[in-house]
Amino acid sequence: NAGVTQTPKFQVLKTGQSMTLQCAQDMNHNSMYWYRQDPGMGLRLIYYSASEGTTDKGEVPNGYNVSRLNKREFSLRLESAAPSQTSVYFCASSEARGPGAKNIQYFGAGTRLSVL
Amino acid sequence: AQSVTQLGSHVSVSEGALVLLRCNYSSSVPPYLFWYVQYPNQGLQLLLKYTTGATLVKGINGFEAEFKKSETSFHLTKPSAHMSDAAEYFCAVKRVAGGGNKLTFGTGTQLKVEL
Repeated sequence: NAGVTQTPKFQVLKTGQSMTLQCAQDMNHNSMYWYRQDPGMGLRLIYYSASEGTTDKGEVPNGYNVSRLNKREFSLRLESAAPSQTSVYFCASSEARGPGAKNIQYFGAGTRLSVL
Repeated sequence: AQSVTQLGSHVSVSEGALVLLRCNYSSSVPPYLFWYVQYPNQGLQLLLKYTTGATLVKGINGFEAEFKKSETSFHLTKPSAHMSDAAEYFCAVKRVAGGGNKLTFGTGTQLKVEL
């Protein structure tokens, strides 16, 4: 019953450091997403992967890269962290394209990142 | 492009009072609509959704929402607030066709429930 698992839960970086946020889902979902959440701005899509082997930019992709390692895993990499990337990062997954229930996105618990 | 507007970043109600959280969308065609809830230090979880059919949809924890095409609205209501309802609520939209199954979220409404 794990659903979507994100690691780490908390991280503090210095400006210029790099790190990778990990996400894995055990629901056999095709699509996976990375969002950032900032106060007063809701959730904004960074990158998404509609299916294994594909990735596409979302609303705020600059400064990030992603890898869809396999169907289960979708990682987000910050190559050179900046203070503007201080945020809470959420990974989500959904079953597939198509109507209704299959569009529900399931979220992980988040990674709280501070860049000093 | 589609967008979502949530009126009121903070709403405060008394326990037992009506909860009304407002959501309006902008889209060239009626989209799929969702309400998610986020409890402190947790991820988002789905409250309810509208795709097709009945415009009044019921969700978990006694919440419901009505899709009104003429008003481009999808307001969330609950007849009687409980302390456990204190959380942040997000309205989201998805294009019916295309768009890669992406959601566009509103900026959220923080609900406070007072004794």
